[in-house]
Amino acid sequence: GDSVTQMEGPVTLSEEACLTINCTYTATGYPSLFWYVQYPGEGLQLLLKATKADDKGSNKGFEATYRKETTSFHLEKGSVQVSDSAVYFCALSIIQGAQKLVFGQGTRLTINP
Amino acid sequence: ETGVTQSPTHLIKTRGQQVTLRCSSQSGHNTVSWYQQALGQGPQFIFQYYREEENGRGNFPPRFSGLQFPNYSSELNVNALELDDSALYLCASSLAAKRNGELFFGEGSRLTVL
Repeated sequence: GDSVTQMEGPVTLSEEACLTINCTYTATGYPSLFWYVQYPGEGLQLLLKATKADDKGSNKGFEATYRKETTSFHLEKGSVQVSDSAVYFCALSIIQGAQKLVFGQGTRLTINP
Repeated sequence: ETGVTQSPTHLIKTRGQQVTLRCSSQSGHNTVSWYQQALGQGPQFIFQYYREEENGRGNFPPRFSGLQFPNYSSELNVNALELDDSALYLCASSLAAKRNGELFFGEGSRLTVL
């Protein structure tokens, strides 16, 4: 079945460090891919998305490229800030009657000043 | 623009009881989905409602049921509660016309079953 595997956390970095959170997926067909972020005490928010192969999603300095050949959608940021501390979820979207999001297990990121 | 709101935010029940969680969708959104997020895990799809009908369901037993109302708000009902039902329940709204579009999530209802 469809699934998403994320890099296990927690991840702790210093401010201004480079970030990569790995995400790979298994899916039949051609899903859309998403990164959602969950800040402490808040609901899930869409960070970025890509709907087809080689698309690059970007937002708030974060980027991820839809790689069909490696079935990956790794999240990257060149210089992280304390305010980026949150839990990050990679997800794929499939349409089976309903639109269904399949999430990875989440990666907790902590940025120290 | 009003976001997705859920109630209650926290509740505690005992095994065997029943619970109803409520969700008001974002203004203009006609589709509501429910997800269960166990501690330390990613959310899992329970079901989705469109035009007051269930149009997709995940791997959850029939004791998980729902409703969508004409104003697009929704309820999630869980009967015969089990300890493993303890989780954060997330509601998300979207526009059916935007296939693979963004889902807008509420902050969730945290259910504890004792």
